Amino acid sequence: DAGITQSPRHKVTETGTPVTLRCHQTENHRYMYWYRQDPGHGLRLIHYSYGVKDTDKGEVSDGYSVSRSKTEDFLLTLESATSSQTSVYFCAISESGVSQDTQYFGPGTRLTVL
Amino acid sequence: AQKITQTQPGMFVQEKEAVTLDCTYDTSDPSYGLFWYKQPSSGEMIFLIYQGSYDQQNATEGRYSLNFQKARKSANLVISASQLGDSAMYFCAMREGQGGANNLFFGTGTRLTVIP
Repeated sequence: DAGITQSPRHKVTETGTPVTLRCHQTENHRYMYWYRQDPGHGLRLIHYSYGVKDTDKGEVSDGYSVSRSKTEDFLLTLESATSSQTSVYFCAISESGVSQDTQYFGPGTRLTVL
Repeated sequence: AQKITQTQPGMFVQEKEAVTLDCTYDTSDPSYGLFWYKQPSSGEMIFLIYQGSYDQQNATEGRYSLNFQKARKSANLVISASQLGDSAMYFCAMREGQGGANNLFFGTGTRLTVIP
């Protein structure tokens, strides 16, 4: 199993509060990703990173920011959480960015915004 | 247009029988990768099998095989000798291009139930 952990695993918060989710890997992979999973949508990419301090937006990036100060850690921040951000969040890692490279997923974080 | 289409919201299969989960994809990029993931009720996403667009042979991994029909743009997952532990959601996904951290596009999934 790929060494990926996410914290917290569950979180309940209120609308308007900031929230940070953490993804930690022990594989020394260059690429890291944040996805959200919602019923009827599969998984959708929020942001990704292709190196320390190198990040870019995915298809559903509005309302989210990310940071990567170390190879092993990728943080996802909701500056002011909204109910539409209630979701399950998955972190993933991959060695390279080519289409043949498999992404391996962390266990997920269930976030509820009341 | 949807990049990945899974038209079967739910499927049932008898234990020890084979089952095919359908997946069609849409891309104009000649280089792409197709992936299947399993999501059991515990929630984690488990990688099952990969097929590259230039691969000449269908991918196989144990009881999993991928029926890749490039001209039809389909990448169906075949599970042989189904087991009760195969009951889960199954997602087809595609990644395009040769460089950069390309997005992995997911279908909406198929829920497979294995009947004893």
